[in-house]
Amino acid sequence: GENVEQHPSTLSVQEGDSAVIKCTYSDSASNYFPWYKQELGKGPQLIIDIRSNVGEKKDQRIAVTLNKTAKHFSLHITETQPEDSAVYFCAASYNQGGKLIFGQGTELSVKP
Amino acid sequence: EAQVTQNPRYLITVTGKKLTVTCSQNMNHEYMSWYRQDPGLGLRQIYYSMNVEVTDKGDVPEGYKVSRKEKRNFPLILESPSPNQTSLYFCASRHIGGSGKAGELFFGEGSRLTVL
Repeated sequence: GENVEQHPSTLSVQEGDSAVIKCTYSDSASNYFPWYKQELGKGPQLIIDIRSNVGEKKDQRIAVTLNKTAKHFSLHITETQPEDSAVYFCAASYNQGGKLIFGQGTELSVKP
Repeated sequence: EAQVTQNPRYLITVTGKKLTVTCSQNMNHEYMSWYRQDPGLGLRQIYYSMNVEVTDKGDVPEGYKVSRKEKRNFPLILESPSPNQTSLYFCASRHIGGSGKAGELFFGEGSRLTVL
C-alpha cells in the first residue's frame, strides 16, 4: 500500500528565514498531495494542495513543489513568522476523493 | 459556522470501561472518518463512512467500532479500552464529488483520551 515519509520531524528557524519540509511517497498512482497545518490544540487544516498535472503551486508565502519522477513533494514557507509555528502534515492519495495517507508530521518552530 | 464538533475534548478512563466519542458535522458531508494521532506515526485512519449506514475499516480498526445512523453523526466506540488506545483522536468530514473530485477534508479539534 501507499506509504508517505516526511522529514524532518522537527525544524527550528529564525523569524524571516525560509523553511522546507519534504515528503516522499511510494505509490506512483498517487496524484493528489495536500498539506495540513495543525496549530496547538486544534485539528489539522488544509493550507495548500497540488495535483500531479502541475509541478509547483504558490499561495503568498507558501509554495509546494512536486517531482513525479522522484516521487517527492515539498512545502516551502518563505519569510517565516511566529504564527507559522505548528505541526505540518503532508499527505498523498489517488484523486482528491481517495484515501489520504499522511506523513509523520513536522513540528516547525519559528523563533522571534 | 461550518464545523466538525467532537466530545469530549479530554477524557481519562480506566481499562475496560466502555466509552463513546461523539462527532457531529453541520456541512451535510457524505464522508466522515476517524483518525488517531500518535507521536512519530502521523495520522492513521481508524474507520470511515461514505454515507448513512455505510462504514468501513481503515488502517487501525482493532478495538474500535463506529456507526452512521444519521448523516451528521459518526460516533467512535471503544467497547473495552486498553492503554494502547491512549491517543489523540480526530474526526473529519468532506463532500464526495464525482469523477474523483471531492471537497476539502475538515477536522474536528480533537479528543485526547487517556486509558489507565
